[in-house]
Amino acid sequence: RKEVEQDPGPFNVPEGATVAFNCTYSNSASQSFFWYRQDCRKEPKLLMSVYSSGNEDGRFTAQLNRASQYISLLIRDSKLSDSATYLCAVEGNAGNMLTFGGGTRLMVKP
Amino acid sequence: DAGVTQSPTHLIKTRGQQVTLRCSPKSGHDTVSWYQQALGQGPQFIFQYYEEEERQRGNFPDRFSGHQFPNYSSELNVNALLLGDSALYLCASSLADGYEQYFGPGTRLTVT
Repeated sequence: RKEVEQDPGPFNVPEGATVAFNCTYSNSASQSFFWYRQDCRKEPKLLMSVYSSGNEDGRFTAQLNRASQYISLLIRDSKLSDSATYLCAVEGNAGNMLTFGGGTRLMVKP
Repeated sequence: DAGVTQSPTHLIKTRGQQVTLRCSPKSGHDTVSWYQQALGQGPQFIFQYYEEEERQRGNFPDRFSGHQFPNYSSELNVNALLLGDSALYLCASSLADGYEQYFGPGTRLTVT
């Protein structure tokens, strides 16, 4: 079993839709969790950090479920510009390595 | 506020050659991590440098080595290149006691 797993998608949704991605992790000692957005042939950009149960930033909501060992990302009112690959990353201790999932591809259509 | 920078942007090498990639961290950051991202996959951790020492290492052979300089910039060296080393090499910077890592634009290495 991979340490961090994501559904590769693609998720094809119309503009204005709400879409959610899940990411499961195997290391119960994991401390910090992140969502990154990556556009084609570009670097990952930090979208949200998830330190406790979850947090919200505008149209984006991230949640952490430690009991079931997964994090989720909810995008409301999808925009064409949200089309990208969304990577989840898990960190064991402060300053340590990030373990990434394979990414979930989102395509928002007009 | 300068972000993470990497050079070169693209590189083409032949099997067996050696390559050096460079990274300057975000202003105020002292820790540099290197990742390899193959096409269609998530980034994989190579190693992390702090105070000019390798602090942690992922599952990569010792053909992959690195260095951190007193100004916190870093180099990644890969010897005896293999075709499978073709990938996007990403540098991420952070604070030593921080959690968030910020990525540079990457160096795309092609080995022929």
